[in-house]
Amino acid sequence: AAGVIQSPRHLIKEKRETATLKCYPIPRHDTVYWYQQGPGQDPQFLISFYEKMQSDKGSIPDRFSAQQFSDYHSELNMSSLELGDSALYFCASRGASGNTIYFGEGSWLTVV
Amino acid sequence: AQRVTQPEKLLSVFKGAPVELKCNYSYSGSPELFWYVQYSRQRLQLLLRHISRESIKGFTADLNKGETSFHLKKPFAQEEDSAMYYCALSGTGYSTLTFGKGTMLLVSP
Repeated sequence: AAGVIQSPRHLIKEKRETATLKCYPIPRHDTVYWYQQGPGQDPQFLISFYEKMQSDKGSIPDRFSAQQFSDYHSELNMSSLELGDSALYFCASRGASGNTIYFGEGSWLTVV
Repeated sequence: AQRVTQPEKLLSVFKGAPVELKCNYSYSGSPELFWYVQYSRQRLQLLLRHISRESIKGFTADLNKGETSFHLKKPFAQEEDSAMYYCALSGTGYSTLTFGKGTMLLVSP
């Protein structure tokens, strides 16, 4: 079965650069979530979208923005990167008929 | 506000021993409780949902509303069970998942 696809798998950026992470939800899933997991940390909720509209906002820095497109894929844009942004970024999706949230493999961001 | 507490950061057992990973929650309504497992910083994989009352890889979890707990249990631990386990809560509607801090389970031979 198709899963949540995230791209890229690994990304290395320098401080103050910009990065974009992409997420392709499971087909027919209309809700997308972004989580950040720092080294040795539990996943922290950043932001979510339902039907292309922002539905909930967590601890997302002002330097970050995200959107969900008409094909339901989502992109997380991160600007003015800091060393502390180095983390594993998970995207997850949920369908209209279920409560279960399924996670992608994650995108590793390293800021040097 | 919703909160999930996993009191044990690390649980180390021998192969064949029983395992119980504790999870307590705080939520004013009727929550959905989940257990996710993460092997070596890979994706978070759904292990159990409380509403399905299923057993996956020998693990079970029962929601105790009186004690606001959703402990994960397995009668005989296996080495391949070594992983990070996260208890998570979702409120009504399409609310987000709130995770506990996680418990690292190490099963030694």
